[in-house]
Amino acid sequence: LAKTTQPISMDSYEGQEVNITCSHNNIATNDYITWYQQFPSQGPRFIIQGYKTKVTNEVASLFIPADRKSSTLSLPRVSLSDTAVYYCLVGDYRSQGAQKLVFGQGTRLTINP
Amino acid sequence: DTEVTQTPKHLVMGMTNKKSLKCEQHMGHRAMYWYKQKAKKPPELMFVYSYEKLSINESVPSRFSPECPNSSLLNLHLHALQPEDSALYLCASSQVSGGLTYEQYFGPGTRLTVT
Repeated sequence: LAKTTQPISMDSYEGQEVNITCSHNNIATNDYITWYQQFPSQGPRFIIQGYKTKVTNEVASLFIPADRKSSTLSLPRVSLSDTAVYYCLVGDYRSQGAQKLVFGQGTRLTINP
Repeated sequence: DTEVTQTPKHLVMGMTNKKSLKCEQHMGHRAMYWYKQKAKKPPELMFVYSYEKLSINESVPSRFSPECPNSSLLNLHLHALQPEDSALYLCASSQVSGGLTYEQYFGPGTRLTVT
């Protein structure tokens, strides 16, 4: 499983766009990039998953450059409720059989008023 | 229904007690997982069940015993735990379709304290 590196913490303000970058230099050909969000004392929640270029859903966008050695989670117009830990995971999560998620340390995002 | 439920929410047990954690989902997911999460740390995988069979055991001590009685239920039996086993225990499930496994849905967790 590819190792990921993210900033330990980030601060921003309500209404701003927040971009969290994840480095994954050893990503394999079959690997997908997946982001989860976790609030205190709750289970992680799936945000978005992508393989290359750009993926967008109702919550976030995921930008992946051509070499796929990094990715950026973009949260548009954040609010106080986006304060959480964000995890970037890389792996062949769509492979057959059991799925093994290995969480890195994550990025603790704090949104200020 | 896109919910994974876990009971109890909180559990306090002594080192000689036997207790069980329960997890339930009705999304038709055929993969289910147990994770352990210590404070301010990421979740760590413990066990994975695929089609009700144990497929991954991450070298978890035998005082933790998982059970998957049917496709909707997952239990974690606890016996002779140590204080360092105190943590948030998370259950998750994921869809398996066409040979592929999709994103995991997590429950809210059981906060376990071992005294």
